[in-house]
Amino acid sequence: EPEVTQTPSHQVTQMGQEVILRCVPISNHLYFYWYRQILGQKVEFLVSFYNNEISEKSEIFDDQFSVERPDGSNFTLKIRSTKLEDSAMYFCASSGTGSSYNSPLHFGNGTRLTVT
Amino acid sequence: GNSVTQMEGPVTLSEEAFLTINCTYTATGYPSLFWYVQYPGEGLQLLLKATKADDKGSNKGFEATYRKETTSFHLEKGSVQVSDSAVYFCALSEYTNAGKSTFGDGTTLTVKP
Repeated sequence: EPEVTQTPSHQVTQMGQEVILRCVPISNHLYFYWYRQILGQKVEFLVSFYNNEISEKSEIFDDQFSVERPDGSNFTLKIRSTKLEDSAMYFCASSGTGSSYNSPLHFGNGTRLTVT
Repeated sequence: GNSVTQMEGPVTLSEEAFLTINCTYTATGYPSLFWYVQYPGEGLQLLLKATKADDKGSNKGFEATYRKETTSFHLEKGSVQVSDSAVYFCALSEYTNAGKSTFGDGTTLTVKP
């Protein structure tokens, strides 16, 4: 079964540094997402992306964050200047022909970001 | 705004026990409802879904019925196994939200042999 892949599985960075988290969504999916899960807390929506542009973003997704689909397969999340509170598990997800309204999300295994 | 409230965990059961994890929601429209499961070290996987009132989603012995009158989507399984130990997330998605899903806090289930 096709799956969403994320790299790296764990990223350690110093406060103020830029990080790029990478994802390869399922190849025929049209909608792409980033969610994050701070340890012990709920899964939070960051951003959704469709047709090469952001379709919705949360209040967490401020100017420090950006997303890009640089080619036909990768989907990246960049954090420009990391803060300690950005430490979390970041999940990439994709969904198929519809938005996640009735087309379920397919998640990657996540990238654990640790900001020191 | 939308919200999902799940039964607090952790939940510990013996093998073959009956499982219920409660989930209630608040939504402005007519959401689709989902249960996702997260095994240790992995991402979330869809367990089951229901897209309209009175629909029953089922998979791997788990069931949940979309109850509009009580705004609930409780997860049940008649006989749990050790392999069901995981974190379970209830979630909703509304058409108007352009793909955003709202998740509950998650309920950790541990099944002991």
